[in-house]
Amino acid sequence: GEDVEQSLFLSVREGDSSVINCTYTDSSSTYLYWYKQEPGAGLQLLTYIFSNMDMKQDQRLTVLLNKKDKHLSLRIADTQTGDSAIYFCAESMGGSYIPTFGRGTSLIVHP
Amino acid sequence: GAGVSQSPSNKVTEKGKDVELRCDPISGHTALYWYRQSLGQGLEFLIYFQGNSAPDKSGLPSDRFSAERTGGSVSTLTIQRTQQEDSAVYLCASSYRDLNTDTQYFGPGTRLTVL
Repeated sequence: GEDVEQSLFLSVREGDSSVINCTYTDSSSTYLYWYKQEPGAGLQLLTYIFSNMDMKQDQRLTVLLNKKDKHLSLRIADTQTGDSAIYFCAESMGGSYIPTFGRGTSLIVHP
Repeated sequence: GAGVSQSPSNKVTEKGKDVELRCDPISGHTALYWYRQSLGQGLEFLIYFQGNSAPDKSGLPSDRFSAERTGGSVSTLTIQRTQQEDSAVYLCASSYRDLNTDTQYFGPGTRLTVL
C-alpha cells in the first residue's frame, strides 16, 4: 500500500540550511507536495513537484526528487525562526484524488 | 478571496454526545476533503467529495462518522456518540482539480475534545 515516511524532528540554528527528508513507496506517484503547518493553523502548500522533474527551486526553497530511490527532500536556505513549523510531505498518483501524507517533521529553529 | 473556513474552532463535548463540524470551502472548488489529525500523528483521510459524484467514504473509522455536502458547497461532518479517542483536530480542505495538480487549501481546523 501507499506509505510516506518522514523523520519526526529537526533542529537547526538560525541562518543555517535545513533539509527535511521524505521517502515514499508508490512508484506511480505523480505529484509530490510539501505543506507547512504553523501552530494552531491548517496546512499551507509550500511547493510541489511533478514526478518528471528532478529539482524545483522557489526562492529559499529547493525540492529535490530522486525517483529511483523514491526520496524527496526540502531544503530551506537561511532558515529563520519564522520557519519553525511542522512540514508535511505528501504524494498522489495521477489517477488517485486522495494524497497520502507523512506524519510531518517538526522543524525547530533556535538562535 | 476568502479561504476555507471551519466552525467551531474548538469544541468540548461529553462522551456519548453527538457533534457537528462545519466546513465552508473556497467558492468554486469542486473537491472537498475531511482529515483527522491526532496528537503526534499525520493526517488521516476521512472522506472526499468531488462534484456530484458519490463521496469516497473509505477513510471513515466507524459508522458513527458521517458527512454530507449540500449544494456542492458547505460540508458537515457528524460524529455520533462521541468517544474519547475521537479527540483530535479535524481539518477540512478544498481544491479545484485541473489538469496539472490538485493543490489543497486547508481550513484552520476544529479541535474536538471529548471528556
